[in-house]
Amino acid sequence: QQQVKQSPQSLIVQKGGISIINCAYENTAFDYFPWYQQFPGKGPALLIAIRPDVSEKKEGRFTISFNKSAKQFSLHIMDSQPGDSATYFCAASGGQGAQKLVFGQGTRLTINP
Amino acid sequence: DAGITQSPRHKVTETGTPVTLRCHQTENHRYMYWYRQDPGHGLRLIHYSYGVKDTDKGEVSDGYSVSRSKTEDFLLTLESATSSQTSVYFCAISPGTGGTHGYTFGSGTRLTVV
Repeated sequence: QQQVKQSPQSLIVQKGGISIINCAYENTAFDYFPWYQQFPGKGPALLIAIRPDVSEKKEGRFTISFNKSAKQFSLHIMDSQPGDSATYFCAASGGQGAQKLVFGQGTRLTINP
Repeated sequence: DAGITQSPRHKVTETGTPVTLRCHQTENHRYMYWYRQDPGHGLRLIHYSYGVKDTDKGEVSDGYSVSRSKTEDFLLTLESATSSQTSVYFCAISPGTGGTHGYTFGSGTRLTVV
């Protein structure tokens, strides 16, 4: 049962461009939506997170956009850099499952120089 | 990763043998989790713990057991390893519910069952 669906599976962007990764969820009880960044050979690391009381959160070049009615949220990376090349995971939690995160399938992002 | 250590980092084992993976934390966090990472599936929860001796199943718990006898250690055991359990296993910790505090992940254990 995949409660969080992530797309695309892989993405190639030119340096300086905008990278966009999308996620959709099913459980309306979800109230916490983080994004994790993972480099090869490392564990995922928390990048940015949002709650449904706001529609957008920005931290540096990274922005989460949240659409509660559509049950969708997305990660935007502005001015993408080769160092941003990594695998990105969206996740969600809330309701009776508040103690555990459900992850999307992951997106392998490559930024070409 | 600071405060959380997984061992071993790599392991090759034969089908049918028991395997135990260890997660050790120095953060005194209440919650500990075991996930497996597979291409196309992302991270899937195997088991988690919300205190010493308190554990619960995740979405892919069949064939796995866990134990937590001390706050700092969370063990994942494959009683009889199968090829379908070849994966990268990640431990994560959280001071409160993962939904409000997020996770800190270990560096992972790459397990190959031959």
